[in-house]
Amino acid sequence: GAVVSQHPSWVICKSGTSVKIECRSLDFQATTMFWYRQFPKQSLMLMATSNEGSKATYEQGVEKDKFLINHASLTLSTLTVTSAHPEDSSFYICSAREDQGGFTEAFFGQGTRLTVV
Amino acid sequence: LAKTTQPISMDSYEGQEVNITCSHNNIATNDYITWYQQFPSQGPRFIIQGYKTKVTNEVASLFIPADRKSSTLSLPRVSLSDTAVYYCLVGGTGTASKLTFGTGTRLQVTL
Repeated sequence: GAVVSQHPSWVICKSGTSVKIECRSLDFQATTMFWYRQFPKQSLMLMATSNEGSKATYEQGVEKDKFLINHASLTLSTLTVTSAHPEDSSFYICSAREDQGGFTEAFFGQGTRLTVV
Repeated sequence: LAKTTQPISMDSYEGQEVNITCSHNNIATNDYITWYQQFPSQGPRFIIQGYKTKVTNEVASLFIPADRKSSTLSLPRVSLSDTAVYYCLVGGTGTASKLTFGTGTRLQVTL
């Protein structure tokens, strides 16, 4: 099956710094990408949806100036957590989908564990 | 986007068949039903997808009644490694369709 690579797998950063997470589709063109945040023992919470070349659409309550999403190419999307604080510590997961008409499967990255100290 | 309702948790013994039902009363005509499996600290993994009736693959079966207001994921002869959270999602086609997760069902398999 298709592969989505997310990097890094884990990161520890100091409070106030920014962290960038990359999400790459390795063998298909990701016309749509999703970014999620997941807290322990909770479900995935959709943060934003992005289409290649367009601005991301953020879910209600997600600060777009804090969580910067760039989907500049059909194989790469990045999520930058700016001025990170301890409450931003979470598991971040990306998903990519190639929209060809009809329902297509979304593939998920392995996730990034962010710890802000 | 259709909202889904699943049991929060289920327990099973190894070797048994497990059926997890998901309710999606507001499913739209062009919505598909997809099930994902997630292990701790990993991204979700696709299990099975269907539109109506029954779909079977090498790991599971998906039963969808005619009204499509619910679906049942069937895992035959579960093993300890099937302990995970299972999510039911409904979604449509095209670039405008979002992928939103519900609460999921935490399946615990024991000996």
